[in-house]
Amino acid sequence: QVQLVESGGGVVQTGRSLRLSCAASGFTFSSYGMHWVRQAPGKGLEWVAVISYDGSEIYYADSVKGRFTISRDNSKNTLYLQMSSLRAEDTAVYYCAKDPSGSGDFYFYMDVWGKGTTVTVSS
Amino acid sequence: DIQMTQSPSSVSASVGDRVTITCRASQGLSTWLVWYQQKPGKAPKLLIYAASSLQSGVPSRFSGSGSGTDFTLTISSLQPEDFATYYCQQANSFPPTFGQGTKLEIK
Repeated sequence: QVQLVESGGGVVQTGRSLRLSCAASGFTFSSYGMHWVRQAPGKGLEWVAVISYDGSEIYYADSVKGRFTISRDNSKNTLYLQMSSLRAEDTAVYYCAKDPSGSGDFYFYMDVWGKGTTVTVSS
Repeated sequence: DIQMTQSPSSVSASVGDRVTITCRASQGLSTWLVWYQQKPGKAPKLLIYAASSLQSGVPSRFSGSGSGTDFTLTISSLQPEDFATYYCQQANSFPPTFGQGTKLEIK
């Protein structure tokens, strides 16, 4: 079945870096755009970044632009989020999610979600 | 950015009730609106896309309607497993934005 499994979360000090991974299975990973979405404790959902099926198009939320880098390795069916200069407000559960468009474009919503990985930024 | 406003923020209802949640966008979306359900400690689940299309595997008691700036999610007869938080999200323009959520609680 279609599955996304995030890893790499943990506790990190303010200003440090962390890399999240998302392993995909059950679908042709290389054909779909992929998103990262986060949820701060007790708060709503916030879209973070998206990457096209081939990595040629990338977009970020203003809140993370210049600090986070989304990437993918289609040979490993894996999505990444490199997070640097972390702040307390980056504390959240980070979800990877699949865009439903397989046509090379984005639909900018998410039809399959992973279970999430927790990032805690502490001073 | 397009602002999404859900109402109510929370609602109490009983099993078997009909419940409607509203989502209003600050700009027109055509029908680029989706709904998610999220249970505590779990990932969101896509319920409705394109404002009114039911995602595969989602029970038919869930329905969506609307276009432009005003949208609704209706649950026709609440089941115990429907008590959760519901989010709308616009997919019309970048960046995608979510409503603040509506918590559906048991009365």
